[in-house]
Amino acid sequence: GAVVSQHPSRVICKSGTSVKIECRSLDFQATTMFWYRQFPKKSLMLMATSNEGSKATYEQGVEKDKFLINHASLTLSTLTVTSAHPEDSSFYICSARLGGYNSPLHFGNGTRLTVT
Amino acid sequence: DQQVKQNSPSLSVQEGRISILNCDYTNSMFDYFLWYKKYPAEGPTFLISISSIKDKNEDGRFTVFLNKSAKHLSLHIVPSQPGDSAVYFCAASASNTGFQKLVFGTGTRLLVSP
Repeated sequence: GAVVSQHPSRVICKSGTSVKIECRSLDFQATTMFWYRQFPKKSLMLMATSNEGSKATYEQGVEKDKFLINHASLTLSTLTVTSAHPEDSSFYICSARLGGYNSPLHFGNGTRLTVT
Repeated sequence: DQQVKQNSPSLSVQEGRISILNCDYTNSMFDYFLWYKKYPAEGPTFLISISSIKDKNEDGRFTVFLNKSAKHLSLHIVPSQPGDSAVYFCAASASNTGFQKLVFGTGTRLLVSP
C-alpha cells in the first residue's frame, strides 16, 4: 500500500493566489522529505529537501520565497506555491524514505497544479 | 546538463516478449541506481535498484544490469505483460551526497500490446 500520501491530487487556482500542497508519511516518521516537479514530457527535477524542524534546502534555481516549505512534524511536509503564475503550472510530487539513507524513495501520487 | 539520459522516448513490445529499457549516465560519482515505473497522474513507483558493487540484480520478471565502464544500465522485463505499459524512469544517486539526491532520466514510455 501507499506509504506517502499527497493532497490535493489536483488544484486549479487563479494567478496571484497561493496554493498549499500537503505530503504525509503514513505509519512512519520522515525527518527528510523531498519535493520534485515534473514538466510535461520531462524528467522529475528535485526542487528542495524538506528537513523536519529546520529550514529546507533548495536546489539551484528554485526560488525559496516562491516555494515555501514547512516540515513541522515528522509525518507532514507542506509546499506552498505563493503568488502563483501560469508558468508554475506543473506536476508536483513529494517523496520520503521508509528506511535508511540508501533505501529507495517512495513517492506520493503527485499534485497537478493549474494556474489560470 | 542531463546527467541521466534515456535516449528512447518510447518502446513497443508484444506481450510475452522481452522489454529492454536503457539508461546512460555521465557522472562517475553515481553509485546507486534505481528504476521507477509511473502511470499518468500518479507518482513514480519503485521497481528495482542496483548498487555499483554489483553488475546485476534480479527481482521476479525484472532484472537490472549495470555496466560501470560504459556508464550504462538497462532494465529487462521478461515476459512483458500489458500491465507493464507505463513510463519508466531510471534514477541515480551518489554516496558522497548521502544518497540524498536522486537524478532522474527523462523516461521511456513502454507499450506492451496483447
